[in-house]
Amino acid sequence: GAVVSQHPSWVICKSGTSVKIECRSLDFQATTMFWYRQFPKQSLMLMATSNEGSKATYEQGVEKDKFLINHASLTLSTLTVTSAHPEDSSFYICSVRLAGITHDTQYFGPGTRLTVL
Amino acid sequence: KNQVEQSPQSLIILEGKNCTLQCNYTVSPFSNLRWYKQDTGRGPVSLTIMTFSENTKSNGRYTATLDADTKQSSLHITASQLSDSASYICVVSVSGYSTLTFGKGTMLLVSP
Repeated sequence: GAVVSQHPSWVICKSGTSVKIECRSLDFQATTMFWYRQFPKQSLMLMATSNEGSKATYEQGVEKDKFLINHASLTLSTLTVTSAHPEDSSFYICSVRLAGITHDTQYFGPGTRLTVL
Repeated sequence: KNQVEQSPQSLIILEGKNCTLQCNYTVSPFSNLRWYKQDTGRGPVSLTIMTFSENTKSNGRYTATLDADTKQSSLHITASQLSDSASYICVVSVSGYSTLTFGKGTMLLVSP
């Protein structure tokens, strides 16, 4: 399997500030990473697909100017929540895709808990 | 519309007992089905993955089954332990696409 880390594991910020979350693939190069958001007692919701060296692909309803994604290297993708508001408080999880012979597998990071005051 | 429905929504069992979680899906075309365990405040961890031709797959005390004809899957946990308390998520992938369709999960609480 793949090892995925996220930093920070939790963050508290004031409304109106920006927060950057890092997702790292520790043991293999990931051309594609995914960013999810999970509200309490809800399933993971895909926000965007992060492609190394190109622009991210955002899901419908996700504001690309608010959730900035940068996939500058094969091991690092960052999600920046700009001008955060309390409704942005959520659990943010990234994953990396590992291509296999018969199917792809996604390995998830441990998540980042964002609380906006 | 691709959907994954899980039942029950939540479940409480005594330590040492067995339990079975259900997953029904309408995803098409089907590629594979995965069961993940998600501890509170953590990312999901893969338990099993099954393709169209696989009927059952085990991972320790976890056994998943798949009926591709009825589009149903189950996850059976044997001799439950307190550490099994978590959310169990059924995830189905569409053939040819890298995105996944998630169920809402079953919250399992194993009580001493």
